Amino acid sequence: TAGITQAPTSQILAAGRSMTLRCTQDMRHNAMYWYRQDLGLGLRLIHYSNTAGTTGKGEVPDGYSVSRANTDDFPLTLASAVPSQTSVYFCASSASTSGEYNEQFFGPGTRLTVL
Amino acid sequence: GQNIDQPTEMTATEGAIVQINCTYQTSGFNGLFWYQQHAGEAPTFLSYNVLDGLEEKGRFSSFLSRSKGYSYLLLKELQMKDSASYLCAAMDSNYQLIWGAGTKLIIKP
Repeated sequence: TAGITQAPTSQILAAGRSMTLRCTQDMRHNAMYWYRQDLGLGLRLIHYSNTAGTTGKGEVPDGYSVSRANTDDFPLTLASAVPSQTSVYFCASSASTSGEYNEQFFGPGTRLTVL
Repeated sequence: GQNIDQPTEMTATEGAIVQINCTYQTSGFNGLFWYQQHAGEAPTFLSYNVLDGLEEKGRFSSFLSRSKGYSYLLLKELQMKDSASYLCAAMDSNYQLIWGAGTKLIIKP
């Protein structure tokens, strides 16, 4: 079982360009999440989806958009990248959002550098 | 505001015991998670506490006091492979996880 996959593994992007980070899970989890992780800071939630067809904004949503057309896929799009979006991006999923079922499983991450 | 505090870094000796503390302030509370993250890798789940008390899982135990807004992760019989960052995360009233910055644990022989 693959669990959660992310692509690409790493990317260098010119400022002003757009990019989509891909995330796919095969666990049939209802909820999915996008986080960014920066040195010295905790994981910060960008966007989330509690179930297919719905999305919500997290703590740091500006400059990012998501869609959840089906259960398995949750792509994250940067419309016009800026250097402050340089970070490691983790996609995660959980069976549901309540209690212990909110145990989140993480993908391997995408290391993005915006120059 | 919502906040999670945990020490930035700790050092311990192989074979010893270490306790990593975490205090939290959240809007509502629906449980506390501990994750382990090795350098360059994704976080992986260690434990979940929602009731007061100690949960033991092999060499790892996690404690919660809801009244004090406090948790700790206890690691026994430390091994070199335990060198990693340990992340504390509290689930708020909206079932969102609020993450601490992580405690980097360095194990010395």
